[in-house]
Amino acid sequence: GQSLEQPSEVTAVEGAIVQINCTYQTSGFYGLSWYQQHDGGAPTFLSYNALDGLEETGRFSSFLSRSDSYGYLLLQELQMKDSASYFCATPGGYQKVTFGTGTKLQVIP
Amino acid sequence: EAGVAQSPRYKIIEKRQSVAFWCNPISGHATLYWYQQILGQGPKLLIQFQNNGVVDDSQLPKDRFSAERLKGVDSTLKIQPAKLEDSAVYLCASSLDRGDPRQETQYFGPGTRLLVL
Repeated sequence: GQSLEQPSEVTAVEGAIVQINCTYQTSGFYGLSWYQQHDGGAPTFLSYNALDGLEETGRFSSFLSRSDSYGYLLLQELQMKDSASYFCATPGGYQKVTFGTGTKLQVIP
Repeated sequence: EAGVAQSPRYKIIEKRQSVAFWCNPISGHATLYWYQQILGQGPKLLIQFQNNGVVDDSQLPKDRFSAERLKGVDSTLKIQPAKLEDSAVYLCASSLDRGDPRQETQYFGPGTRLLVL
């Protein structure tokens, strides 16, 4: 089976940097995606890592280490609107898609 | 471009009743997904279609849930009969699929909130 584990909650201060970790056990690994979901909303795509290393998209960066079965999402210059749940996930298409357990981020003033 | 459409947005039914949800994916997207998301948890994949074929339905409770994708476009998800534990948000998503997993960004619809009493 596949499993992706994340910390359940993280609290960080506005303007700071926060890292959300994801450890996984999967077969046929094709990379790691990250999604953001605000309360009452639908998940929206943030980032995808097919290869080891860092991918940067504005204030968001995502990192993958396949040898360690580990990835993380880095959010910089935190804003109040970043308060949401964040999920790592394996990609879909011809591969089985699995979402992580999710991390609820609370940004405080 | 138009996003993923779902209806209804909300549904309240009593246990043992049946319910159906509809999803219209983004035009041209080959892959369609149905998820169940219980409050406080991550989305759980119920079924994944590639055009009108099923890629994965290993987590679909087939004794009560069924899904079909008509002509590789629209899809319906049905629950019959519903149980209390089916109360959740049902999300539909689609992705383009060009045979490269890196293309598999999923675009989600607004979801249907189901409450079973």
